[in-house]
Amino acid sequence: GAVVSQHPSRVICKSGTSVKIECRSLDFQATTMFWYRQFPKQSLMLMATSNEGSKATYEQGVEKDKFLINHASLTLSTLTVTSAHPEDSSFYICSARQDRGLSQPQHFGDGTRLSIL
Amino acid sequence: GDSVTQMEGPVTLSEEAFLTINCTYTATGYPSLFWYVQYPGEGLQLLLKATKADDKGSNKGFEATYRKETTSFHLEKGSVQVSDSAVYFCALSEGDTGNQFYFGTGTSLTVIP
Repeated sequence: GAVVSQHPSRVICKSGTSVKIECRSLDFQATTMFWYRQFPKQSLMLMATSNEGSKATYEQGVEKDKFLINHASLTLSTLTVTSAHPEDSSFYICSARQDRGLSQPQHFGDGTRLSIL
Repeated sequence: GDSVTQMEGPVTLSEEAFLTINCTYTATGYPSLFWYVQYPGEGLQLLLKATKADDKGSNKGFEATYRKETTSFHLEKGSVQVSDSAVYFCALSEGDTGNQFYFGTGTSLTVIP
């Protein structure tokens, strides 16, 4: 149980294009979803937290107009990287939690490798 | 602020060796603690967790005990296998909703036959 599917797993595109990444909880309803960015051989950096039906909460230093997050349903959140540039190339990982509370773990997708040429 | 500190890697062990990966934390309240594992090219998988002091989380031969007095949550396994090669992340969650989640920098483990 607690499977999170992330799509696509890899995307290569030209500078200036927008890229959408989907994150789905397959067998549970996610009250909260998280988006992370991971640089090579580094830890995860939380970008934003989203609750279904409300605006995402962005971490300091993350441009909300650059990284658009939509949490339209209890099983789907999307991250759109708008007007992507080479410095946006990274590994993006989403996670989802079924319930709120300290003891609830996050369940992660397999990540999306984004490469901007 | 809250933080998690892990021992730096990479760690290389022979098969069947004993594994310890140290993790210490700083928190203002009473966090829950987690270990996650990341295999190459994949996302993170929950390995084990502990939600209060003296709790022991265990899974797949891995164990970690929540030590409040030393603010530690060290990961141990008595006999590692080649398939355990991965990056291991220690993490804590805090706050009323548990949305404040902090990860360590990760420790890369390679097990050689």
